[in-house]
Amino acid sequence: GAGVSQSPSNKVTEKGKDVELRCDPISGHTALYWYRQSLGQGLEFLIYFQGNSAPDKSGLPSDRFSAERTGGSVSTLTIQRTQQEDSAVYLCASSLSSGTVSGANVLTFGAGSRLTVL
Amino acid sequence: DQQVKQNSPSLSVQEGRISILNCDYTNSMFDYFLWYKKYPAEGPTFLISISSIKDKNEDGRFTVFLNKSAKHLSLHIVPSQPGDSAVYFCARRARSLENGGSQGNLIFGKGTKLSVKP
Repeated sequence: GAGVSQSPSNKVTEKGKDVELRCDPISGHTALYWYRQSLGQGLEFLIYFQGNSAPDKSGLPSDRFSAERTGGSVSTLTIQRTQQEDSAVYLCASSLSSGTVSGANVLTFGAGSRLTVL
Repeated sequence: DQQVKQNSPSLSVQEGRISILNCDYTNSMFDYFLWYKKYPAEGPTFLISISSIKDKNEDGRFTVFLNKSAKHLSLHIVPSQPGDSAVYFCARRARSLENGGSQGNLIFGKGTKLSVKP
């Protein structure tokens, strides 16, 4: 598609339930990123995928969070046993590459999935 | 470790005047800084970047200045317009030592909310 597509745009869930958030990156973009923005906070890096390399999971806040990217395209972020502090806007981004030594790879963001845990 | 700091959570400017958004960083191992703009309920959009080998980059009304000795960069918008009202994020891209290349994920500041009054 023309842009990064995320679904659902809004999700309300009860504490303890599992949620899945989906991201469709721009076609041809090899790098995919997940960030989240909690209320009043900046963009917190969670995880990124680059081609077939092992993902950089260094930003995942706990083992309740996981993500996968199937076929080098669509990605799913899964949060198990959700907690109220997981409430945030989860943003996905993609870029042409991440390892270039010249040129600033520009991340294109989706509109985000707003998660509310009651 | 907050590697990218935006110490002003908000800034209010009169239309037509200059807006100056500031960003400080602690880690010198980077190759690019980027500025993103975010409107409510939308994903961040790329605005302008600067390479570590430069001290200025200009694009229309937007100019970014980099002062490496002070570990400081700033975004100037002149003249400011009401449509510039948004949250502005400063972000850095790390430089990997292992292969001379760059890590793709961006580290963002907490953002500065700019309000341009008519």
